[in-house]
Amino acid sequence: DAKTTQPTSMDCAEGRAANLPCNHSTISGNEYVYWYRQIHSQGPQYIIHGLKNNETNEMASLIITEDRKSSTLILPHATLRDTAVYYCIVTLGGDKIIFGKGTRLHILP
Amino acid sequence: DVKVTQSSRYLVKRTGEKVFLECVQDMDHENMFWYRQDPGLGLRLIYFSYDVKMKEKGDIPEGYSVSREKKERFSLILESASTNQTSMYLCASSFWGRAFATNEKLFFGSGTQLSVL
Repeated sequence: DAKTTQPTSMDCAEGRAANLPCNHSTISGNEYVYWYRQIHSQGPQYIIHGLKNNETNEMASLIITEDRKSSTLILPHATLRDTAVYYCIVTLGGDKIIFGKGTRLHILP
Repeated sequence: DVKVTQSSRYLVKRTGEKVFLECVQDMDHENMFWYRQDPGLGLRLIYFSYDVKMKEKGDIPEGYSVSREKKERFSLILESASTNQTSMYLCASSFWGRAFATNEKLFFGSGTQLSVL
């Protein structure tokens, strides 16, 4: 079973920040949090990952709570092309990587 | 850019046929994975491999086998295809082996939509 819990779906207005939450209350000290997204009819695409500190790259920001039991992926200025299923995963590495059902994000024009 | 190539985008086979799904990656990655994706069920891990000739069962290995004779190639085999194996099959690879997940980015292929009639 996936080690994460995400809302089934979310809506966000185009141009606004999309904040996607993820709960991982059983995360262990060495497990990383990874985010992927899957646009329709394509393979999933890596977005960002982190261990303890907040991270930012050209695609998104990742905010991890101090207790590491939850995280939020932030797409700062959502566009229609960001409509996708977003997956939050925790992994130790060198192990099977389990995807949950993810959050279906709809960007509204 | 890392490229993960799956041999077919669409495949139609008959019940009982032996089916080979091929996946090749060009970045010298140690890890390779096979997932299937079905509506409402998300991605489910079938098999994965850490190295040549190594394989590990995922969550749903029944009815499947795999082969990894060369580092860059990971094959998924349906010994006797059945209609419940109609699905989207996704191959992925990642760089890090048995170590902490400092760089465990998965790179996916475009998928093979398999229909078993």
